[in-house]
Formats: sequence, structure tokens, C-alpha cells
Amino acid sequence: EAQVTQNPRYLITVTGKKLTVTCSQNMNHEYMSWYRQDPGLGLRQIYYSMNVEVTDKGDVPEGYKVSRKEKRNFPLILESPSPNQTSLYFCASSLRRGASEKLFFGSGTQLSVL
Amino acid sequence: AQSVTQLDSQVPVFEEAPVELRCNYSSSVSVYLFWYVQYPNQGLQLLLKYLSGSTLVKGINGFEAEFNKSQTSFHLRKPSVHISDTAEYFCAVRRTTTGTYKYIFGTGTRLKVLA
Repeated sequence: EAQVTQNPRYLITVTGKKLTVTCSQNMNHEYMSWYRQDPGLGLRQIYYSMNVEVTDKGDVPEGYKVSRKEKRNFPLILESPSPNQTSLYFCASSLRRGASEKLFFGSGTQLSVL
Repeated sequence: AQSVTQLDSQVPVFEEAPVELRCNYSSSVSVYLFWYVQYPNQGLQLLLKYLSGSTLVKGINGFEAEFNKSQTSFHLRKPSVHISDTAEYFCAVRRTTTGTYKYIFGTGTRLKVLA
């Protein structure tokens, strides 16, 4: 089954404790991206990757890091989480070819930073 | 800079009634346009998209949208809604420029279908 898998689904942590949210896709997609969803603000793009070793900032990259060492994986790293990073996070992937362009989203990771 | 405006944060509508969810965008360059739906406790799914060609786009679950370049709008419509259409709907744009893959999403519209 074609899917984007995020882990964990829920995460509660404390300020300053480094964490990683994993994202993996099994569709051989070149494009992967991370979003955060906050009430009243919709989805905002954090980082995206056009292919292996190619990443770029979205609209809200501060406080986050990403890496793309393999095509299927695109982890999101919070080196020193802060309470304002409490949010619902989504990973998504897509083919890059025109008519096939369609974001496939994971089920989300609800992060609480205390 | 690009932006996407969804004018209605919530839209209540009775079952079997028609609905229109509004989306306007601002961009100095040409864009691709998308509507995604998010059911409770799930990720987003693509409803439909406009890349080129006919300005009336049909999607899944009976939804359609019309691209209006002069009004920079991409409103979503359904002639008769069902209870199962209750969800949050997001409009999104992406510049057509090769190599640019930044998506801008609107703030979402919660559609509540009433029995």
C-alpha cells in the first residue's frame, strides 16, 4: 500500500530535549516536505526536499533541521524544542512530474513541548 | 509574495444543499492551484487541482472548482453535500516556476454538514 509513515503519532517532551520525528514513504517520490498545522494559521511549510541531499527552507524553518540521505526518508529534527513548537506536524511526499503532482500526507505527529 | 485567502473559517450547510467554499490567491507569477480535504484525525487528501487547460476542474466525491484568473480565485463547489463531507478544506498554491516547490496553504474552511 502506498503510504507516508510518520512516527511517533504523539510526543510530549520538555524544553531543550532534542527530538526527531521520522518520515518514510514507499512510493519512490522525489519530493518530500514538512508542515506544521496550527489553529487559525492553516498549514505552513517548514522545509522541503527536491531529492536526495537537496533541501530548502519553507516559510517557518527557524528551530528545525532536516536531512535527506535516502530517497525514502526525511526526518525532522528539533535540536532544542521550545513551547512555541507545540503543534501538529505533517510530512508529505509527491512525484514532481506535472500531471502526477499530488501531495501524499502522513497521519500527523502531535507534539507538545512543556 | 504569494498568499492564499480562505474567507470563511466555518461554513454550516444542511445535507443535500449546495455549497461553495471560497479561495482567493495573490501572486505576481502564474501558479498551480489545489484543494485538499482533511477528515477528523487524518492527514490531508487531494480533492482536485488545476495545472493548465480547462478552468473547470472536477475532483473526487462530486466536488469541482473553477479557476478564474482575472479574479484570482479558485472556489470549490458541490451541488449537494452529504454528512460525510464534514471536514476541513484547504486551498493551496504553488508557483509554476521550474525548481520551485514551495506550497502556500490557506487557513482552512471547516465545512459542517447538518442533518
